[in-house]
Amino acid sequence: QLQLQESGPGLVKPSETLSLTCTVSGGSITTTNYYWGWVRQPPGKGLEWIGTINYSGKTYYSPSLRSRITISIDASRNHFSLKLTSMTAADTAVYYCTREENSSVDYWGQGTLVTVSS
Amino acid sequence: QSALTQPPSASGSPGQSVSISCTGTSSDIGGYNYVSWYQQHPGKAPKLMIYEVTKRPSGVPDRFSGSRSGNTASLTVSGLQAEDEADYYCSSHAVSNNLAQVVFGGGTKLTVL
Repeated sequence: QLQLQESGPGLVKPSETLSLTCTVSGGSITTTNYYWGWVRQPPGKGLEWIGTINYSGKTYYSPSLRSRITISIDASRNHFSLKLTSMTAADTAVYYCTREENSSVDYWGQGTLVTVSS
Repeated sequence: QSALTQPPSASGSPGQSVSISCTGTSSDIGGYNYVSWYQQHPGKAPKLMIYEVTKRPSGVPDRFSGSRSGNTASLTVSGLQAEDEADYYCSSHAVSNNLAQVVFGGGTKLTVL
């Protein structure tokens, strides 16, 4: 059974860069049909799509976050990562790593809460 | 403000049917067969309930069905059960300024009375 697990800091200071990693187990990240990505959810609010990457490094990013995000993939470690620069309180959210096929998320990590505070 | 518009709440009694709408544009819902619906219980990750407008993943009860008319997609839950009480989100493939993305609705809280 495929499993995704996020890892990274739970607390980030304003203006700093968030770095999260998603480790995939039970399947290969190099499977050609899938994109691997990130979705976030501020406390008490709805879901926001951040972006995705495929095994060859092709990326798609949210237009509203494009200038601040980088998603990368490491096939040798079967994981992918998110970097989000210039963090503010508005970036406080639960961050989920995901697997997508045809713009549909069929697998989700458990989510990790990231709080932006000094 | 979410790209797709959903009613904030919906409700129904056990055994009844309820439908949740999701309105977009010809650049998302109306233009692509990639509309999905997710169920989210409090404190849990979302769960895929419908993909490609009408398809159900393995294990999702056939009480859940999806449809689309023009730029509006709908999720219908038939034979409501207590465990169906949750937040529901729609999403769609979208293209804006020649850039592909996924957009979500703001979510609908379904209450089973």
